[in-house]
Amino acid sequence: KAGVTQTPRYLIKTRGQQVTLSCSPISGHRSVSWYQQTPGQGLQFLFEYFSETQRNKGNFPGRFSGRQFSNSRSEMNVSTLELGDSALYLCASSLHPDSGNTIYFGEGSWLTVV
Amino acid sequence: DAKTTQPPSMDCAEGRAANLPCNHSTISGNEYVYWYRQIHSQGPQYIIHGLKNNETNEMASLIITEDRKSSTLILPHATLRDTAVYYCIVRVFKYGQNFVFGPGTRLSVLP
Repeated sequence: KAGVTQTPRYLIKTRGQQVTLSCSPISGHRSVSWYQQTPGQGLQFLFEYFSETQRNKGNFPGRFSGRQFSNSRSEMNVSTLELGDSALYLCASSLHPDSGNTIYFGEGSWLTVV
Repeated sequence: DAKTTQPPSMDCAEGRAANLPCNHSTISGNEYVYWYRQIHSQGPQYIIHGLKNNETNEMASLIITEDRKSSTLILPHATLRDTAVYYCIVRVFKYGQNFVFGPGTRLSVLP
């Protein structure tokens, strides 16, 4: 069974631009979360979606947003990109947010802001 | 979620058992211990989790002390491909997907 799929894998953007990242969860998984990983801050939780609703949000500015579609696929968007947004963005999925099942990560999208 | 403490780095000889410790002295009764690892430039990989009993799967064993204040992840026969950062996370079992990752332990398996 296919794992969590993230696209694109690598991208370069310019300061001030916006970016959209996509995540397809494991088949049957309905909960999706996003994480940001940087060398300085490590892995940090961005937000979590279930049934097209945001259930939980980390401590990130409003420039970071996301959504989930009826097929459980998710996108995250970062507007007005800053150099500090350069990071590995990871998507994770699980069957249900409160099922107690573990979360499974994709390979991530590497974003470089120049 | 309870805070965890792990050594920043460890070495292990290839073929030997790798024992990665984790302290979680403030763990509460409904919090589980999870282990993930991250090989360079890849997404974190789930390894194992447990509450109070020792657990074993095809990847590793998890030993939790009786007072639950610490645990050890054991990779029985480490290979070079086990070189990674290992994260110990303590959290309530049913609590959404907000996992709090610390800096972890960088395990180097040496030939």
